[in-house]
Amino acid sequence: DAGVTQSPTHLIKTRGQHVTLRCSPISGHKSVSWYQQVLGQGPQFIFQYYEKEERGRGNFPDRFSARQFPNYSSELNVNALLLGDSALYLCASSLVAGVEQYFGPGTRLTVT
Amino acid sequence: GIQVEQSPPDLILQEGANSTLRCNFSDSVNNLQWFHQNPWGQLINLFYIPSGTKQNGRLSATTVATERYSLLYISSSQTTDSGVYFCAVEYSGAGSYQLTFGKGTKLSVIP
Repeated sequence: DAGVTQSPTHLIKTRGQHVTLRCSPISGHKSVSWYQQVLGQGPQFIFQYYEKEERGRGNFPDRFSARQFPNYSSELNVNALLLGDSALYLCASSLVAGVEQYFGPGTRLTVT
Repeated sequence: GIQVEQSPPDLILQEGANSTLRCNFSDSVNNLQWFHQNPWGQLINLFYIPSGTKQNGRLSATTVATERYSLLYISSSQTTDSGVYFCAVEYSGAGSYQLTFGKGTKLSVIP
């Protein structure tokens, strides 16, 4: 079975632009979470979606938004990009909320 | 929020040596996971271990939830074990099923 997939793999954007990152969970998994990992740190929680509803939000500004689709895939949107948004963005899926999470390979975003 | 502290921050081992990585957390947790992050950034699941002991080949883990710590044991280390090891916990106080990560232990295994 395929694991969690994310697209694109790498992305370079300019300050002020908007970006959309995509995630497909493991087949049968209904919960998707997003994390941001800056260099030298552990991942930080951004959002969790379960059954297409937002179930949790981390300490990130309103420029960050996300949604989950009927097929349980998800996208993360970031508006008005700042240099500090440069990071590895990780998507994780789990069968239901509150059990073991499995991570995708990530999208490396560079903001110049 | 909950604090997750990992030690040591850096570890250099000769191939074949054993090591123990520690994760301390400041509150009661529902779940705990250990991950290995490879040089390309992929987080690989090692253990899902809210309590008790598990073993998988050369790796084993123990979580003592009442004392708020978990240990990851690596025996007969290999160069492919190099990378960053993260402990992550999910706790009730978060209000959602989010994982809170430690800063990781960077392991370098030299031939």
